[in-house]
Amino acid sequence: NAGVTQTPKFQVLKTGQSMTLQCAQDMNHNSMYWYRQDPGMGLRLIYYSASEGTTDKGEVPNGYNVSRLNKREFSLRLESAAPSQTSVYFCASDRAGYEQYFGPGTRLTVT
Amino acid sequence: QKEVEQNSGPLSVPEGAIASLNCTYSDRVSQSFFWYRQYSGKSPELIMSIYSNGDKEDGRFTAQLNKASQYVSLLIRDSQPSDSATYLCAVNRGGLTGGGNKLTFGTGTQLKVEL
Repeated sequence: NAGVTQTPKFQVLKTGQSMTLQCAQDMNHNSMYWYRQDPGMGLRLIYYSASEGTTDKGEVPNGYNVSRLNKREFSLRLESAAPSQTSVYFCASDRAGYEQYFGPGTRLTVT
Repeated sequence: QKEVEQNSGPLSVPEGAIASLNCTYSDRVSQSFFWYRQYSGKSPELIMSIYSNGDKEDGRFTAQLNKASQYVSLLIRDSQPSDSATYLCAVNRGGLTGGGNKLTFGTGTQLKVEL
């Protein structure tokens, strides 16, 4: 039982490049989330998927897109990376109303 | 006013002492409350959840919730050097569209347990 897994662990992009961050969970959770964490800003919600087939914007969605591929997988795409997107990205999942569990994170640097 | 406020610290306590971490929140409709521990360079790890007023104990950890005062705290008894980390308070304001949980996080309190 791996919990929440994320790939890649580290990534360096040049401004304007695109990439997709992958997330998968094996806990049979309905809801999945993408957060970014920046120094002094705390964790901020980018996008979420309350259930398979649905996605919605969080606090800071600009510059990102998401896909809920199936119940297990939720990906985050940066279409044209900007230095402001340098951050640590966490995927999380939960059962509605219960505790949320986080993946190990992806450290992204955009130069 | 921030939605979830924590003292950034660092909070320094000697080994074996009780560490007390505090969190206040602004939205009265908040329904559930969580404490996460985050070691440097690692992801947040859930250590406690609390849903109703009062105390909830789990091993060396006790979470306390007072909804009237909009206050939640975490006590760590017999603090160990391995408890040195940043502790994040998270508040669930209720369901997002479609049923997800909108967690709002504080910026965390850094705890240092000294030998």
